Amino acid sequence: EAQVTQNPRYLITVTGKKLTVTCSQNMNHEYMSWYRQDPGLGLRQIYYSMNVEVTDKGDVPEGYKVSRKEKRNFPLILESPSPNQTSLYFCASSLSWGGTDTQYFGPGTRLTVL
Amino acid sequence: AQSVSQHNHHVILSEAASLELGCNYSYGGTVNLFWYVQYPGQHLQLLLKYFSGDPLVKGIKGFEAEFIKSKFSFNLRKPSVQWSDTAEYFCGLTGGGNKLTFGTGTQLKVEL
Repeated sequence: EAQVTQNPRYLITVTGKKLTVTCSQNMNHEYMSWYRQDPGLGLRQIYYSMNVEVTDKGDVPEGYKVSRKEKRNFPLILESPSPNQTSLYFCASSLSWGGTDTQYFGPGTRLTVL
Repeated sequence: AQSVSQHNHHVILSEAASLELGCNYSYGGTVNLFWYVQYPGQHLQLLLKYFSGDPLVKGIKGFEAEFIKSKFSFNLRKPSVQWSDTAEYFCGLTGGGNKLTFGTGTQLKVEL
């Protein structure tokens, strides 16, 4: 089944404790991205990747890192999480980046930083 | 910079009522426009998209949207909503860059 998976689905952590949220897709998609969803703010893009080893900042990259060593994986790294990073995170992928491609979203990761 | 505005944050309708959700965008060049839906507890999924041709676009589940370039709008419509349409709806835009920008979303509740 074609899908985007994220792990963990739920995470409660404390300020400053490094964490990684994994994202994997099995559709051989070139483009992958991370979003955070906050009430009243909608979905905001954190980082995106056009292909392996090609990443760039989205609208809200501060406090996050990403890497794209393999085509299928695009982990989101919080080196020193803070309470303002408490949010619902979505990973998404699309076949390529032509501006018209449909984004396929993962199930989301609900992160709480205490 | 590109931006998307969704002015209706919460909409409550009765079953069989007609729906129109507003979406306005800001971008000076050619745009591609999307509507995504997030049903309770589910992934976001594409409802419909516009990138060229007929400005009236039909999507899944009886939804349609009309691109009006002069008004910078891409409103979502459905003639008769069902309880199962209860969800959050996001309008999105891609312009000249490499990213998809979303609006803040509209929470639709359909009452029986």
